Amino acid sequence: AQSVTQLDSQVPVFEEAPVELRCNYSSSVSVYLFWYVQYPNQGLQLLLKYLSGSTLVKGINGFEAEFNKSQTSFHLRKPSVHISDTAEYFCAVSNPNYGGSQGNLIFGKGTKLSVKP
Amino acid sequence: DAMVIQNPRYQVTQFGKPVTLSCSQTLNHNVMYWYQQKSSQAPKLLFHYYDKDFNNEADTPDNFQSRRPNTSFCFLDIRSPGLGDAAMYLCATTPTWGSTLYNEQFFGPGTRLTVL
Repeated sequence: AQSVTQLDSQVPVFEEAPVELRCNYSSSVSVYLFWYVQYPNQGLQLLLKYLSGSTLVKGINGFEAEFNKSQTSFHLRKPSVHISDTAEYFCAVSNPNYGGSQGNLIFGKGTKLSVKP
Repeated sequence: DAMVIQNPRYQVTQFGKPVTLSCSQTLNHNVMYWYQQKSSQAPKLLFHYYDKDFNNEADTPDNFQSRRPNTSFCFLDIRSPGLGDAAMYLCATTPTWGSTLYNEQFFGPGTRLTVL
């Protein structure tokens, strides 16, 4: 079985400061990894994904994440945050070898990023 | 633009009064999902369709049903909503297995359900 742990439920940070949102996963097989962002009263929007290849993945809005297989981590980073980055961020994992009808996402519990002026 | 649309965005219903939430997609994706997301929690998968094949999660209450009359539309029916069913309901789609986009889910904006 797979699981995702987001270690921080809330991360407050000042505008223009760097931020790292932590995500660790547990899986006995190889995985695909995703970060989604959710703004208040909105659906989830994909920030970035790791499927294979380069372990450093760049996404939208200046975010990037690094896949670390030995540490089973996929931390999300941004060198300088804006007020508009205030949102909830979800890390998710899926099994690329799950054929047929299911590519189910397993979500972490989310991290609320609060950017203060 | 191709997208996932959910209607209505906000729905208010009374305790025990059946309610239907709607999702449509212009992406022509084979798989459609319904999630329930309660406040400050991760989305919880209720069920999904692969084409017309319905897949229910083991812990989804019988109170929740779904219909997919065609590729584009999927409905979530809550037969007798309780106060605990108040949540955001998210619809998502993904293309068929083997597609380069498989495993990436595309989400609609959600419907926030209030039960009075």
